[in-house]
Amino acid sequence: RKEVEQDPGPFNVPEGATVAFNCTYSNSASQSFFWYRQDCRKEPKLLMSVYSSGNEDGRFTAQLNRASQYISLLIRDSKLSDSATYLCVVKEGNNDMRFGAGTRLTVKP
Amino acid sequence: DAGVTQSPTHLIKTRGQHVTLRCSPISGHKSVSWYQQVLGQGPQFIFQYYEKEERGRGNFPDRFSARQFPNYSSELNVNALLLGDSALYLCASSPRTDNQPQHFGDGTRLSIL
Repeated sequence: RKEVEQDPGPFNVPEGATVAFNCTYSNSASQSFFWYRQDCRKEPKLLMSVYSSGNEDGRFTAQLNRASQYISLLIRDSKLSDSATYLCVVKEGNNDMRFGAGTRLTVKP
Repeated sequence: DAGVTQSPTHLIKTRGQHVTLRCSPISGHKSVSWYQQVLGQGPQFIFQYYEKEERGRGNFPDRFSARQFPNYSSELNVNALLLGDSALYLCASSPRTDNQPQHFGDGTRLSIL
């Protein structure tokens, strides 16, 4: 079983749509969680951290369920500029970050 | 303020050669990590260094090595290059090795012929 698993997609949605990505992780000792965004042939960029209570940043909402070892990202009112690959990332305290393979999103006019 | 900087941006090598990739972290960041990303996959962890000491190592062969210098910059070395080493090599820095996220450089795209 992979340490971090994501639905690879691709997700093709129209502008204005709401889209949700899911991610599961295998190590129950994981302590911190993030979503990164990666544009084609670019480096990953931090989108948002994920907190146990859930958190929101504008059109983006992240949720964490520690009991189910499940993380989600919701994007509302999708924009063309949201087209990218979204990487789920899990960190075990002082250790390295473990990445999922990414979910590709294309927002179409 | 400068972000994480990596050099070179692109590199072409042949099988059996050796390569050195360089990374300068964000000013004030003491932790540097290296990742390998092949097409269609997420980044895979190679090494983490903090205060010039190796703090973590991923599942990569001994052909891969790294070090961190007193100014916190870092080098990744790969010997006896194989075709399968073709990838984007990413360096990431963070202030410490705690729960803070890491910030990535633009990467070095390595092609092995």
